Amino acid sequence: AQSVTQPDIHITVSEGASLELRCNYSYGATPYLFWYVQSPGQGLQLLLKYFSGDTLVQGIKGFEAEFKRSQSSFNLRKPSVHWSDAAEYFCGFTTDSWGKLQFGAGTQVVVTP
Amino acid sequence: NAGVTQTPKFQVLKTGQSMTLQCAQDMNHEYMSWYRQDPGMGLRLIHYSVGAGITDQGEVPNGYNVSRSTTEDFPLRLLSAAPSQTSVYFCASSREGNQPQHFGDGTRLSIL
Repeated sequence: AQSVTQPDIHITVSEGASLELRCNYSYGATPYLFWYVQSPGQGLQLLLKYFSGDTLVQGIKGFEAEFKRSQSSFNLRKPSVHWSDAAEYFCGFTTDSWGKLQFGAGTQVVVTP
Repeated sequence: NAGVTQTPKFQVLKTGQSMTLQCAQDMNHEYMSWYRQDPGMGLRLIHYSVGAGITDQGEVPNGYNVSRSTTEDFPLRLLSAAPSQTSVYFCASSREGNQPQHFGDGTRLSIL
C-alpha cells in the first residue's frame, strides 16, 4: 500500500541549531513529493516540492530537502533555525494526476532560546 | 488576492444537525479537495474534484457529500453530524492534480 511516514512526532531544537525532519514513503516508483508548514491556527503553506531532476531541492524560508531513491526518503533540512520556524511540518505525496494528496502525521517543531 | 476562502471559520453543531462548509477559490483551478485534520493523523482526504461536475471519494468519505457545479466553489455537506466529525476541515485547490495545492485557513467544527 502507498503511504508516507514521518517518524518523529515532536522535535525540540535550539535557535541557531540545524534541523532535519524525516520523511519516508512507500511506493514502487518516484512520487511527487512535497513539504508543507502549518503555523498555529493557519492553513498549510508549501515549502518545497520534488517531481524529478536534481535531488536537492531548495525551498522558501531557507529550507531544503533531499530526495534519496535508495532510501525512499525526502528529508527536510535547515542549517540554522529561527524562533519563527516553530510550527508543524507535513510531508505529502501524490502518485497520480488526480490531486489525491497523502500526508504524513506531521512533526511538531519547538524552538528554544 | 484571496486564494482559497473557507467559511465559516468556527462552528458548533449538535449531533444530528446538518450543515455546509463553504469553499471558494479565485485562481481558476480545476482541482479541489477537502481534508480533515485530526491530532496525530495528519490530513486525510475526504472528497476531491477534478473539474466542474466531477467528484470522487477520498480516504474518509463516509458522512460527507460534495458537489461541484462551478469551477470556483466546492462545498462540503454534513448530512447528519456525529461527534466523530469534530475536526478541522481544510479545502485546497491546484491547477493540475500533481501540482502543489493551495490551502484555505480551515474551518474548526465541534459536534456536541
